[in-house]
Amino acid sequence: QQQVKQSPQSLIVQKGGISIINCAYENTAFDYFPWYQQFPGKGPALLIAIRPDVSEKKEGRFTISFNKSAKQFSLHIMDSQPGDSATYFCAATEGAQKLVFGQGTRLTINP
Amino acid sequence: DSGVTQTPKHLITATGQRVTLRCSPRSGDLSVYWYQQSLDQGLQFLIQYYNGEERAKGNILERFSAQQFPDLHSELNLSSLELGDSALYFCASSVSGYGYTFGSGTRLTVV
Repeated sequence: QQQVKQSPQSLIVQKGGISIINCAYENTAFDYFPWYQQFPGKGPALLIAIRPDVSEKKEGRFTISFNKSAKQFSLHIMDSQPGDSATYFCAATEGAQKLVFGQGTRLTINP
Repeated sequence: DSGVTQTPKHLITATGQRVTLRCSPRSGDLSVYWYQQSLDQGLQFLIQYYNGEERAKGNILERFSAQQFPDLHSELNLSSLELGDSALYFCASSVSGYGYTFGSGTRLTVV
């Protein structure tokens, strides 16, 4: 049972553009929504996270938008750079239990 | 360096064999999580330990087992290995249950 659905599977964006990755969840008890960034040969690294009582969180060029009523959240990467090329995973957890991950999005930023 | 240490980095073994993967969590983190990452399944939760005790179980096969020792390091044992067990195995640790820190993973190849 996939509780977090992520799209698109792959994304190509030009340097300087905005990258947008979307996730949808089913479990309304989820209370923490992190995004992870993974480079080849490395483990996922926490990028940014949000709780459902906040509609937006921004850290540098990375922004999470959260729509509780639609049960959707998204990652926006502004001014995308080639160094942002990686696989991005959204995730969710309920009460600090296990993280449930989306299927991942392979992002390529063309120079 | 994330602070979570996994060994070995690579492992090649034959079908039917048994292997042990080791994880040392970040200093101060009591929770250890094991995830399996394969191309078509994303990051799948296997099992969680908290301060030596099993806390949660995911879709972990009966051929797989894990434990967490008094010094908080954890081992994942995989037995009767099959070709389909080839994957990346990640360990993560956390102090609060939110914001996991992942290790660099063990790449297991079963031939």
